Amino acid sequence: DQQVKQNSPSLSVQEGRISILNCDYTNSMFDYFLWYKKYPAEGPTFLISISSIKDKNEDGRFTVFLNKSAKHLSLHIVPSQPGDSAVYFCAASALGGGADGLTFGKGTHLIIQP
Amino acid sequence: GAGVSQTPSNKVTEKGKYVELRCDPISGHTALYWYRQSLGQGPEFLIYFQGTGAADDSGLPNDRFFAVRPEGSVSTLKIQRTERGDSAVYLCASSLRGNEQFFGPGTRLTVL
Repeated sequence: DQQVKQNSPSLSVQEGRISILNCDYTNSMFDYFLWYKKYPAEGPTFLISISSIKDKNEDGRFTVFLNKSAKHLSLHIVPSQPGDSAVYFCAASALGGGADGLTFGKGTHLIIQP
Repeated sequence: GAGVSQTPSNKVTEKGKYVELRCDPISGHTALYWYRQSLGQGPEFLIYFQGTGAADDSGLPNDRFFAVRPEGSVSTLKIQRTERGDSAVYLCASSLRGNEQFFGPGTRLTVL
């Protein structure tokens, strides 16, 4: 039973436009959420996180939005760049701050078209 | 570059054999995590250590899997009597304050 769901296996976006990656979760105990980016043959790299006490966190081109009532979060990348092409994983933690083992979604493969 | 390192990068073994996978965390990181990623899936949590002790091993699939971290630094994931279904990329991560886990490149295990 998938507690973190990324329903889009892939997403294609034109360079310079906004990329929006979505994530849904079912476990109401999750209180900290993270996005990781993964290139082939490398480990996931941390991108941005958000605590459940916030509804938005921004870092440069990356913004994460959290809708607790809908159990939904999204990652916005603007403007999208060719180097953003990678697999993006949504992850969640139930111990506050991500100190426990994370629960990951299946990932969304983002392809930035030139 | 003092990132998380994992050895070997690739391991091919035969069904029924024993394997050990090693993880060197970032120096000073007290927390260490093991995950397994199968094809088309996200990383799946196996176990995490706080110092030398296993703080949570609820993700280990069965008693063929075991992990140690005797001195609070390097960790070894041990798999006995390997099965074809154990084939996956095994990822290790470490963390200092628990808010961001830094991942290594993984060990790709193939069980023939």
